Amino acid sequence: GESVGLHLPTLSVQEGDNSIINCAYSNSASDYFIWYKQESGKGPQFIIDIRSNMDKRQGQRVTVLLNKTVKHLSLQIAATQPGDSAVYFCAENPPQGAQKLVFGQGTRLTINP
Amino acid sequence: EPEVTQTPSHQVTQMGQEVILRCVPISNHLYFYWYRQILGQKVEFLVSFYNNEISEKSEIFDDQFSVERPDGSNFTLKIRSTKLEDSAMYFCASRAQTGGEGPQHFGDGTRLSIL
Repeated sequence: GESVGLHLPTLSVQEGDNSIINCAYSNSASDYFIWYKQESGKGPQFIIDIRSNMDKRQGQRVTVLLNKTVKHLSLQIAATQPGDSAVYFCAENPPQGAQKLVFGQGTRLTINP
Repeated sequence: EPEVTQTPSHQVTQMGQEVILRCVPISNHLYFYWYRQILGQKVEFLVSFYNNEISEKSEIFDDQFSVERPDGSNFTLKIRSTKLEDSAMYFCASRAQTGGEGPQHFGDGTRLSIL
């Protein structure tokens, strides 16, 4: 069945350090992936996306890596700041769906001062 | 920056009552969605809507649920007879038509509490 899961439910890093959040997906035919950030009391906020014909994409302080061989997705956040503390979700777009997103459980990232 | 807005932010309803959750998607977007998130769990897809009809729905979206785009700006989710297990955060999302793909943008949700 469709599922997107995360390796770790919580992650703590020191401010200024880099963080890596991992995600495993199960549908090898999924062709589009998104990382969202969710702060307390807010909706998911788009961070970065990647299509299956790419293996890396960079944004401002963030990089997404896609390894289709092992169905693995990661989000790297460089030089973390206190405002990066949130829950991070990966989501996949199964090709057989209209455009629905299948979300993972989420990783809570805490930035320690 | 344009955003998806949802009202109310918190809705408290008696079990068995009807509830309507409202959303104003981003103005030039063409695809609309509802998701829900039970406390502490992941976000779950409910329904997608395009060209004035449902394009896909999940098994959660049974005949107690309906969606409507009554005018050019609003997108609503109705639950006809609420159950305790309907208590959750409900998120509306929208997406522009960008060659078939593009990120969905979410509102901040309506917290629905069923008593």
